Amino acid sequence: EPEVTQTPSHQVTQMGQEVILRCVPISNHLYFYWYRQILGQKVEFLVSFYNNEISEKSEIFDDQFSVERPDGSNFTLKIRSTKLEDSAMYFCASTGGRGANVLTFGAGSRLTVL
Amino acid sequence: DAKTTQPNSMESNEEEPVHLPCNHSTISGTDYIHWYRQLPSQGPEYVIHGLTSNVNNRMASLAIAEDRKSSTLILHRATLRDAAVYYCILRDYYSNYGQNFVFGPGTRLSVLP
Repeated sequence: EPEVTQTPSHQVTQMGQEVILRCVPISNHLYFYWYRQILGQKVEFLVSFYNNEISEKSEIFDDQFSVERPDGSNFTLKIRSTKLEDSAMYFCASTGGRGANVLTFGAGSRLTVL
Repeated sequence: DAKTTQPNSMESNEEEPVHLPCNHSTISGTDYIHWYRQLPSQGPEYVIHGLTSNVNNRMASLAIAEDRKSSTLILHRATLRDAAVYYCILRDYYSNYGQNFVFGPGTRLSVLP
């Protein structure tokens, strides 16, 4: 069964450092998403990406965050200058289409900022 | 805000059926009802979805009320592996945006051996 692959599974970084989280969505999917989940809290939407541009973003997705699809297969989330409060699980998801189509999530990347 | 309400937690015995309820009184005619679950330390996983009619798949059944203001996810024989947080989420047919795919706190299902 096709799956969404995320790397790294766990990254530890110092506050202020840049971090890039990588995702390989399902190959024929067109819509890509990043969500995050702080330990013990709800899964929160960050950003949607379609046709090589951001479709929408939440208030969490400020100027410190960016996304890109550099090579047609990878989908990355960059945090320019990490803060302690960025520590969370980050989930990538993809889907092939609208409302009836399901989102497939990756297993997540755990980011720990010290 | 999430447009669905679910009990915070439920408990079931292994190999017994489990009925997980969800209220969505403000559902629109173009909202699909999706159910996802999150096993410990994993990403959300698709379970089932439907629009108006009841749905069955290898994982579960989805019973949708006639007025669509509530639905019930049915696990026919709970196993220990089914212990997870279950999310009921509405997704508009015309939506391709994640902003509309809102996770509430879900129902934490515990399965007792």
